[in-house]
Amino acid sequence: EAQVTQNPRYLITVTGKKLTVTCSQNMNHEYMSWYRQDPGLGLRQIYYSMNVEVTDKGDVPEGYKVSRKEKRNFPLILESPSPNQTSLYFCASSLRQGFNEKLFFGSGTQLSVL
Amino acid sequence: KNQVEQSPQSLIILEGKNCTLQCNYTVSPFSNLRWYKQDTGRGPVSLTIMTFSENTKSNGRYTATLDADTKQSSLHITASQLSDSASYICVARSGGYQKVTFGIGTKLQVIP
Repeated sequence: EAQVTQNPRYLITVTGKKLTVTCSQNMNHEYMSWYRQDPGLGLRQIYYSMNVEVTDKGDVPEGYKVSRKEKRNFPLILESPSPNQTSLYFCASSLRQGFNEKLFFGSGTQLSVL
Repeated sequence: KNQVEQSPQSLIILEGKNCTLQCNYTVSPFSNLRWYKQDTGRGPVSLTIMTFSENTKSNGRYTATLDADTKQSSLHITASQLSDSASYICVARSGGYQKVTFGIGTKLQVIP
């Protein structure tokens, strides 16, 4: 089944403790991206990747890191999480960053930073 | 600045009734507009895409319209079902750097 898999589904952590949220897609998509979703703000892009070893900042990149060493994986790293990073996170992919390409989203990771 | 505004923010309707969700967009240059359905606790799933030359497109009980002159799109749901309860997100794509702009969404609740 074609899908985008995120782990973990839920995560509670404390301020300053490094964490990684994994994202993997099995559709051989070139484009992958991370979003956070907060009440009243909608989805905001954190980082995106056009292909392996090619990443770029989205609208809200501060406090996050990403890497794209393999085509299928695009982990999101929080080196020193803070409470304002408490949010619902989504990874998404598309065949490429093109005109009609639709995004396939993972099921989300609910992160709470205490 | 690119913007997508959706209305209403939330909506409650009786099962079997129709409803229409609105999306106003300000993106330049405009490429296309997608409607996504997001079930509670899940990621958004694409329902339909509207390009500049398309006025109406249907996907089962969902019908999307686009008026490029007024920069408005609507999503009409016919004969609503309980499973239609979800958030519906409008996403406009602009040309050039292919930037996407998300609306906040309309939360629809269908009650028996």
